[in-house]
Amino acid sequence: AQSVAQPEDQVNVAEGNPLTVKCTYSVSGNPYLFWYVQYPNRGLQFLLKYITGDNLVKGSYGFEAEFNKSQTSFHLKKPSALVSDSALYFCAVRPRMDSSYKLIFGSGTRLLVRP
Amino acid sequence: DTAVSQTPKYLVTQMGNDKSIKCEQNLGHDTMYWYKQDSKKFLKIMFSYNNKELIINETVPNRFSPKSPDKAHLNLHINSLELGDSAVYFCASSQADSPLHFGNGTRLTVT
Repeated sequence: AQSVAQPEDQVNVAEGNPLTVKCTYSVSGNPYLFWYVQYPNRGLQFLLKYITGDNLVKGSYGFEAEFNKSQTSFHLKKPSALVSDSALYFCAVRPRMDSSYKLIFGSGTRLLVRP
Repeated sequence: DTAVSQTPKYLVTQMGNDKSIKCEQNLGHDTMYWYKQDSKKFLKIMFSYNNKELIINETVPNRFSPKSPDKAHLNLHINSLELGDSAVYFCASSQADSPLHFGNGTRLTVT
């Protein structure tokens, strides 16, 4: 079965420190990969995506993600965390051969950046 | 503002009632979706329409019925509401391979 795993329910980091939010996937072929962020009482907002090409993808708000095909991972990173980055982060995949554009989401990781 | 808007934002109702949630997008997207987010924040797709045609219908009880009068609207009607239907329901839209744009959600509470 196709799935996305975010092994950490919560990630705690001090402001100014680098952050990593982990994501691994089990999807056949070479899926499209996404990261979304959800702030309280809001819908999900798109951060970045990987389609093809460079393994390091840059996105909104200074976030980037590194695609690793051999490890089937797509970890979200940011060199210097801000308190305002505190939110719920979702990794998602879409099978490349799926014409329905359906996204399979991970369970989410809560990021808490302390001042 | 260009956006995906859904109404109502909050919906509190009793078991057995029938309710509807409306969604509209003015982004010109061809595809619209309904996702359900449970109390543990897990997101699962329910339905997807492309140009008013149903293309995804996940394992959802028949009490849930989507309706798309045109490609800018996707409504969700729920019959005979149950306690387990309590969740946040998100509407979203996309165009081809573009990222999904989500509405702000409808928090449904069934008592």
